[in-house]
Amino acid sequence: QKEVEQNSGPLSVPEGAIASLNCTYSDRGSQSFFWYRQYSGKSPELIMFIYSNGDKEDGRFTAQLNKASQYVSLLIRDSQPSDSATYLCAVSFGNEKLTFGTGTRLTIIP
Amino acid sequence: NAGVTQTPKFQVLKTGQSMTLQCAQDMNHNSMYWYRQDPGMGLRLIYYSASEGTTDKGEVPNGYNVSRLNKREFSLRLESAAPSQTSVYFCASSPQGRPGNTIYFGEGSWLTVV
Repeated sequence: QKEVEQNSGPLSVPEGAIASLNCTYSDRGSQSFFWYRQYSGKSPELIMFIYSNGDKEDGRFTAQLNKASQYVSLLIRDSQPSDSATYLCAVSFGNEKLTFGTGTRLTIIP
Repeated sequence: NAGVTQTPKFQVLKTGQSMTLQCAQDMNHNSMYWYRQDPGMGLRLIYYSASEGTTDKGEVPNGYNVSRLNKREFSLRLESAAPSQTSVYFCASSPQGRPGNTIYFGEGSWLTVV
């Protein structure tokens, strides 16, 4: 069974620091990788996606992909209280279906 | 532009009752999905529809049926609700064309089975 694993947290980070969220996946054939943010009681919303090895930056967010080690990470620079949420890693194994991790709960401490 | 719309938002059912969750999208997407989300379990795919007229089982299909009524609408039916089906249900849609297209979620439906 294809698996996506995340540390459930909670992860506490001081305001202004860098938050680092990690995700590992089991299938080497995985092609697409996504990070979703979910506020309590709300639906997931896409933050970033990455297809190729290396880094992809979008504002304060950087996604990092290492296919050889089968992990994908999300860095949040200059963390803000509004970044407090659950972050879901999702992986596509070659079709349109996404498999989600259980999510990491992030708390930014003012 | 409403995106993905789900109804109802909240529902309480008694064990054995049936109900249908409705979902509609106005983004002209071909693919639609139903997920459930439980504490500690993440989002799990129940059923999906790659295009109008087709449906396929996901990870946790038992106890559910779906209907892709047309390109816009994808409904999820619980024929005989069980307490284990207490969950938050999300409908989602995505454009078709390449693997891993971004999916867009509805606001969720909170279902409690007592």
